[in-house]
Amino acid sequence: GAGVSQSPSNKVTEKGKDVELRCDPISGHTALYWYRQSLGQGLEFLIYFQGNSAPDKSGLPSDRFSAERTGGSVSTLTIQRTQQEDSAVYLCASSLRPELVGGTQYFGPGTRLTVL
Amino acid sequence: QKEVEQNSGPLSVPEGAIASLNCTYSDRGSQSFFWYRQYSGKSPELIMSIYSNGDKEDGRFTAQLNKASQYVSLLIRDSQPSDSATYLCAVKINAGGTSYGKLTFGQGTILTVHP
Repeated sequence: GAGVSQSPSNKVTEKGKDVELRCDPISGHTALYWYRQSLGQGLEFLIYFQGNSAPDKSGLPSDRFSAERTGGSVSTLTIQRTQQEDSAVYLCASSLRPELVGGTQYFGPGTRLTVL
Repeated sequence: QKEVEQNSGPLSVPEGAIASLNCTYSDRGSQSFFWYRQYSGKSPELIMSIYSNGDKEDGRFTAQLNKASQYVSLLIRDSQPSDSATYLCAVKINAGGTSYGKLTFGQGTILTVHP
């Protein structure tokens, strides 16, 4: 079936505005991950969902960041009061069986966020 | 010490040569290892995974894992210009609990294959 999709592909916002980023995982994948990729920081884990619950939020950089997942499918990452340091590519990945040694994660195309 | 470290690069090899990419990791609980390829402006694409000590071959790619020494490598034989990309080493800890499945990435190695 279709791969992981994300929207929007690009988002330009002004400092202090809120933004919402959307991820639609591969159908049937129970695990969903958000990562952030920025220059100088590499690819960093943000949050992990298993179904609708988020047992690992350890990578969220501040309380301005939040995420939810509904119906075990679509997830939304919200950044409130955006700052220039939030500028990055936000990547979503999903996995069918994350508990397996070989549970592969498949990445979406990402959302490039630019905060002016 | 970073959890996952890759040779800093950039790495430049001539077409047809073998490109060797290296990665070390610090957590001995790591059980799954992945190599992703990322073209400029694109998202990471899985090219190899390895879980057991030794070599795993897939076409022109060979992944090598040595858990005792905590390193994993990727060899690309007969390198082509189309292999030019950033290669990301990723490690997963399958310890159960709240963080299983999370990937920890190295900084990436930029590979350029010149004709």
